[in-house]
Amino acid sequence: GAGVSQSPRYKVAKRGQDVALRCDPISGHVSLFWYQQALGQGPEFLTYFQNEAQLDKSGLPSDRFFAERPEGSVSTLKIQRTQQEDSAVYLCASSLDGATNTGELFFGEGSRLTVL
Amino acid sequence: GNSVTQMEGPVTLSEEAFLTINCTYTATGYPSLFWYVQYPGEGLQLLLKATKADDKGSNKGFEATYRKETTSFHLEKGSVQVSDSAVYFCALSDRAGAGSYQLTFGKGTKLSVIP
Repeated sequence: GAGVSQSPRYKVAKRGQDVALRCDPISGHVSLFWYQQALGQGPEFLTYFQNEAQLDKSGLPSDRFFAERPEGSVSTLKIQRTQQEDSAVYLCASSLDGATNTGELFFGEGSRLTVL
Repeated sequence: GNSVTQMEGPVTLSEEAFLTINCTYTATGYPSLFWYVQYPGEGLQLLLKATKADDKGSNKGFEATYRKETTSFHLEKGSVQVSDSAVYFCALSDRAGAGSYQLTFGKGTKLSVIP
């Protein structure tokens, strides 16, 4: 498709389970970002890829969070041993070139994770 | 660190009313400023932007002016429509590590326009 695609759209996990969230960015977009959006809050930065290189992971809240983009296109955000505080919408965004200060990110609709 | 503060919602207006959503920011460098909008059931999308002081961003009848002296980027529209009902996020972009730019968002303001 033409936009950023995320799956699953909704995920319910029991506490302690591992989850994997997928992002398919716009074809040809070099940069890929993951954001976490808690209920009633704005998105918060998690991590950034330029092609397959993870250049910034300063926003990942703990070592239970792991992201990869092995071939420079599709990315997966993995959360191990989920906790209730991980419940949020996880947003993926891509841009043609993250090194320029345009700020024009193209967002997916997000994956809503609920941890019971 | 960088931060964005925007007026809390929800905001409810009648059609054709004037809209202002206040946004102020704190940044260590010279950020670019943005308004993103999220319509029901859709992803965030860029509404308008301004990259330097005194720039005015505009789109779909919305405007915002980058005011460095007041560190503000208030969103305005002269006559809102029902179709403007959405959540609006103010954001800034500043240089982060490894040459990338990172967006810092406000908490969002939900706007409902009633006929």
